Order: sequence, then C-alpha cells, then structure tokens
Amino acid sequence: GAVVSQHPSRVICKSGTSVKIECRSLDFQATTMFWYRQFPKQSLMLMATSNEGSKATYEQGVEKDKFLINHASLTLSTLTVTSAHPEDSSFYICSARPGPGGTIYFGEGSWLTVV
Amino acid sequence: EDKVVQSPLSLVVHEGDTVTLNCSYEVTNFRSLLWYKQEKKAPTFLFMLTSSGIEKKSGRLSSILDKKELFSILNITATQTGDSAVYLCAVEAGGAQKLVFGQGTRLTINP
Repeated sequence: GAVVSQHPSRVICKSGTSVKIECRSLDFQATTMFWYRQFPKQSLMLMATSNEGSKATYEQGVEKDKFLINHASLTLSTLTVTSAHPEDSSFYICSARPGPGGTIYFGEGSWLTVV
Repeated sequence: EDKVVQSPLSLVVHEGDTVTLNCSYEVTNFRSLLWYKQEKKAPTFLFMLTSSGIEKKSGRLSSILDKKELFSILNITATQTGDSAVYLCAVEAGGAQKLVFGQGTRLTINP
C-alpha cells in the first residue's frame, strides 16, 4: 500500500483562487518532504524542500509567495497555490523517506486544473 | 549545476524484446541513483543504487551503477505490454536529500 498519501488527487479551481494540496507520510515520520511539479510529457522538477518546524527552501525560479508550504507536523506537509492562474495547471507530487539513506517514496500526485 | 541525462528519450519495441535504458549524471556529492516507473500517475520505485558494479535485480528488471563513468543502465528482458511507461532516473546529491531527475525514457511495448 501507499506509504505517502496525497490529497486531493484532482482539483479544478477558478483563476484567482487558492487551492491546498496535502501530503502525508503514513507509518513514518518525515522531517523533510519535497514538492515537485510535472508538466505534460516533461520530467519532475523540484519546487521546494519542506522542513518540519521551519521555513521551506525554494528552488530557483519558484515564487515562495505563490506556492506556500507548511510542514506543521512530522507527517503532514501542505502546498497552497495562491492566486492560481491557468499556467499553474500541472501535476504536483510530493515525496518523503522514512529515514536517512532509505527509499524515497512519492505520493499519488495531484492534478491541478485552473480554469 | 547538477545534471541527469537519460537516453533514449523514446523507445518502441515489440513484446519479448530486451531493452536497455541509459542514465548519465554529473552531480556534486553523489549519494544514490534511483530508477522509477511512471504510468499516468506518480512514479513507483524500482531500484536504488549506491555502490558501483553491484547489479540489482527484480524479476525481469535489473540495474547497475558505474560510479567511475557516472552512469547507470536499466535492463528489461522479455518485455511485456505492461512495461510500457516512462522510466525516470533520479540522482540524490548533496546533503539535502534532493532528487535531480532526468528527462525520462518513454518506453512503448507493442504486442
């Protein structure tokens, strides 16, 4: 079964609104989780590293005020896409690992469509 | 800048054929190389390689890492239509546990 769970799997929102995506580690604690974005027929691009109890680390070119990340507990990280635009439509995936050097697992992914 | 390059980008073969997918990398402070299979959803884990020259095997799939030449291969023997997917290679580098992904190889197995 899944060890990392994402919700929702699909969401449609209107331009200008905000949408929140949750990433949960099941059966293990994750001090660090990662958020990726994948456009159609492209590979995964790391957006940010989510750190429990502290600020997220964003990759170059990713707007931290637009993609808000909160890692409030050892099993939950959330990504909020604020003031969404159609170009934010993409597949968003999170990942986590049970411990240093262990396998990195991905959530099921969330399809975001902004209309 | 850390870089992972996969080849070929696309491959079409017949069921029963054997395929070899390539992944080369240039990263700082290599920690591990991972292979994933992706079919219209999130990637599923296949292998994690950390040591050079040690083959990892799972059924018809196998993979090996060459840390001197900075590449890895993923072999699939006796391919089946269910093997059709995008195969992603990712390298964990540096101390931050981040994964750098290659572009992926889109594998199509025709019956």
